Amino acid sequence: NIVMTQSPKSMSISVGDRVTMNCKASQNVGNNIAWYQQKPGQSPKLLIYYASNRYTGVPDRFTGGGYGTDFTLTINSVQAEDAAFYYCQRIYNSPLTFGSGTKLEIK
Amino acid sequence: QVQLKESGPGLVQPSQTLSLTCTVSGFSLTSNSVSWVRQPPGKGLEWMGAIWSGGSTDYNSALKSRLSISRDTSKSQVFLKMNSLQTEDTAIYFCTRGLWGFAYWGQGTLVTVSS
Repeated sequence: NIVMTQSPKSMSISVGDRVTMNCKASQNVGNNIAWYQQKPGQSPKLLIYYASNRYTGVPDRFTGGGYGTDFTLTINSVQAEDAAFYYCQRIYNSPLTFGSGTKLEIK
Repeated sequence: QVQLKESGPGLVQPSQTLSLTCTVSGFSLTSNSVSWVRQPPGKGLEWMGAIWSGGSTDYNSALKSRLSISRDTSKSQVFLKMNSLQTEDTAIYFCTRGLWGFAYWGQGTLVTVSS
């Protein structure tokens, strides 16, 4: 079974900073990765699909990258409203496994 | 517009069977896949399984022996049945649409497993 490993588990960033979080797949998934943002009490929101495609309405400060087994989500000029959990997910081929998440806190 | 809504019992006794319904609108089940995802309190997301547009299903191997997903296309409903529930199955259960990314989610329904 494929395992998606996210790092770090949490990070604390100041408004305006740039942050990068990581997702590593236990096997080659090509570009079949999505990223989600989830705030407390809300359903997850799709940010990125196929590793680097920004979903409709997602601010351009969110950028996805990577291929194969190593992926990144970068937020340029972090805003206060970006405080949330972020999850990666293998898409398109079953199992559609999620990573364990990265918690982003704003100082 | 696209909508998904979960419904079912909020409380289930240990060892019993959970039955949930996802009622969708704004799209056809014969053209889209629907997955079930759950989230225990304070924990991460777990993909449980999916029913694809053609009607076939796939399951998380950790749940496969207890889980069944089906649908009624005439009623635009997707069903989840999971047996032998334990306290660790307490979670918010979401239904969601997509294959290349889950762009549409229901609000989720909290299921508590307790006697």
